[in-house]
Amino acid sequence: DGGITQSPKYLFRKEGQNVTLSCEQNLNHDAMYWYRQDPGQGLRLIYYSQIVNDFQKGDIAEGYSVSREKKESFPLTVTSAQKNPTAFYLCASSIGRQGGQPQHFGDGTRLSIL
Amino acid sequence: DAKTTQPPSMDCAEGRAANLPCNHSTISGNEYVYWYRQIHSQGPQYIIHGLKNNETNEMASLIITEDRKSSTLILPHATLRDTAVYYCIVRANRDDKIIFGKGTRLHILP
Repeated sequence: DGGITQSPKYLFRKEGQNVTLSCEQNLNHDAMYWYRQDPGQGLRLIYYSQIVNDFQKGDIAEGYSVSREKKESFPLTVTSAQKNPTAFYLCASSIGRQGGQPQHFGDGTRLSIL
Repeated sequence: DAKTTQPPSMDCAEGRAANLPCNHSTISGNEYVYWYRQIHSQGPQYIIHGLKNNETNEMASLIITEDRKSSTLILPHATLRDTAVYYCIVRANRDDKIIFGKGTRLHILP
């Protein structure tokens, strides 16, 4: 089945440790996105990529990094510089900007600090 | 800030049609209306979207008023699995991010 796969579903991080969240899609979508969701809150955009080897900062990029070496993969690294990393992280993809194309989401990774 | 207004919660009896309203009085001509839903601890699920015409797919129908200032999502035969938070969003093609408001928490009653 086509879709977006995020792994792991749950992730625990020690203080001062970097962790990488995986996002893979087999929908042949050009655009990919990372959002963060805090309890009872809406989604906030961290980073996005419209094409391979290119990405832009979203509203809350500090303490995060990404790469887009392959069309189907857009991993997110939560660095030790992110002071409040505990959240639900959502990856999304879309065909692109044309024609009002919707973003489709994975099932998320829940990150917690030990 | 979200450009939409939705009631915080609604109840619907199982098997009946669920009609979820959304106000978007400041919508621009190039902005689409999207509906998503989020079941607890899962990612948002895309339901439907439209520009000005009514739309229908296997999940739901979207009715947009002629002045485009409001819309209604219709789930024709609600089931317990439709219990979720439903988000109405307006977004233009050029917008890279989706801005989720607080949505409507829909409770399906057995």
